[in-house]
Amino acid sequence: DGGITQSPKYLFRKEGQNVTLSCEQNLNHDAMYWYRQDPGQGLRLIYYSQIVNDFQKGDIAEGYSVSREKKESFPLTVTSAQKNPTAFYLCASSSGPGTEAFFGQGTRLTVV
Amino acid sequence: GQQVMQIPQYQHVQEGEDFTTYCNSSTTLSNIQWYKQRPGGHPVFLIQLVKSGEVKKQKRLTFQFGEAKKNSSLHITATQTTDVGTYFCAGANAGGTSYGKLTFGQGTILTVHP
Repeated sequence: DGGITQSPKYLFRKEGQNVTLSCEQNLNHDAMYWYRQDPGQGLRLIYYSQIVNDFQKGDIAEGYSVSREKKESFPLTVTSAQKNPTAFYLCASSSGPGTEAFFGQGTRLTVV
Repeated sequence: GQQVMQIPQYQHVQEGEDFTTYCNSSTTLSNIQWYKQRPGGHPVFLIQLVKSGEVKKQKRLTFQFGEAKKNSSLHITATQTTDVGTYFCAGANAGGTSYGKLTFGQGTILTVHP
């Protein structure tokens, strides 16, 4: 089955720890995105990548880091510098800039 | 940077009533997309509008793209309980270094009472 996979679905971490969220796609898409969703605030763009080995900051990149070493993978690290990391994180991919985005199931991160 | 505003934030309707959500961008868009997110789920693509003034229909859903390519609307005729969810618009940058970047509106949460 083609698609985009995020793991895990639920993640709990202690405050001060870095955590990496996985995102893998087998759709052969060039573009990948990370969004954060909080109640009442829609989807806010954290980072996006239009091609392997290149990525750009989105609107709320502070406290996050990414890598794009492979076309299929775009992991997101939530660092201890992120002041309010508890949220629902969504990864998406698309075939090119501004085209239809396919979303993963999301990872709900809770920091305690 | 580009901003996409969406209203209303919430809409409660009785089954059978119509529903409309509106989307406005601070900049001209190359295209606008609409997504639906069911409760507990992830956003799913509905449609993309590209041309100025474009109107597209999907059964009871009608999508419009403004003449200036800065605003859009989604209208649902005779809502059903299956329409429940959050509807998002997403604008794609028309150019510059952020070309193709998708910026989502805040979403409209639709509740349908049977």
